[in-house]
Amino acid sequence: NAGVTQTPKFRVLKTGQSMTLLCAQDMNHEYMYWYRQDPGMGLRLIHYSVGEGTTAKGEVPDGYNVSRLKKQNFLLGLESAAPSQTSVYFCASRRDRLSEAFFGQGTRLTVV
Amino acid sequence: AQKVTQAQTEISVVEKEDVTLDCVYETRDTTYYLFWYKQPPSGELVFLIRRNSFDEQNEISGRYSWNFQKSTSSFNFTITASQVVDSAVYFCALSEARRAGSYQLTFGKGTKLSVIP
Repeated sequence: NAGVTQTPKFRVLKTGQSMTLLCAQDMNHEYMYWYRQDPGMGLRLIHYSVGEGTTAKGEVPDGYNVSRLKKQNFLLGLESAAPSQTSVYFCASRRDRLSEAFFGQGTRLTVV
Repeated sequence: AQKVTQAQTEISVVEKEDVTLDCVYETRDTTYYLFWYKQPPSGELVFLIRRNSFDEQNEISGRYSWNFQKSTSSFNFTITASQVVDSAVYFCALSEARRAGSYQLTFGKGTKLSVIP
């Protein structure tokens, strides 16, 4: 039972480089989320999706794009990485807005 | 807009002491759900409990208990006889259930609990 899987687990980028973080869930959940976690800031919502083909902005969406072409996958893209995007990124999924969220293991991204 | 406040940034207790983690929330929805998550030093986020806005009964699970008070918009978490393994960051979260267009799960900033042996 894999649950929510994030790829990669660690990454170092140079300023200006691009990358995509992949989140995959095998629970047939409708809702998926991308959060970033920074010291003292808690978990801040970047983007989320309430179903295949839909995405919406969260609290801190600037500098990120997302896509949900398949129900089980939610991709987070950084087109031109900046040092301010150094963070730990968490993906989560849940069945509906009444249920708890299941989280991936996190991706530690460093932009130098 | 929904909001969760965890005023305690860090707490240190000596092993076997009881400790309460505070959570205060704001919402305009009449139906909502509250959650607690634990993030141990290894980094993963572990779900602890879900409570809906209509159920104000306190809940106890082993050494853990939760006190939900709608009148004060609080959902506090108490660990009895704390252990070193309880050392973690604890997050409180809120999800609105009825307000149109509200699909977010909003987290507080977390409380870092250190249990000293």
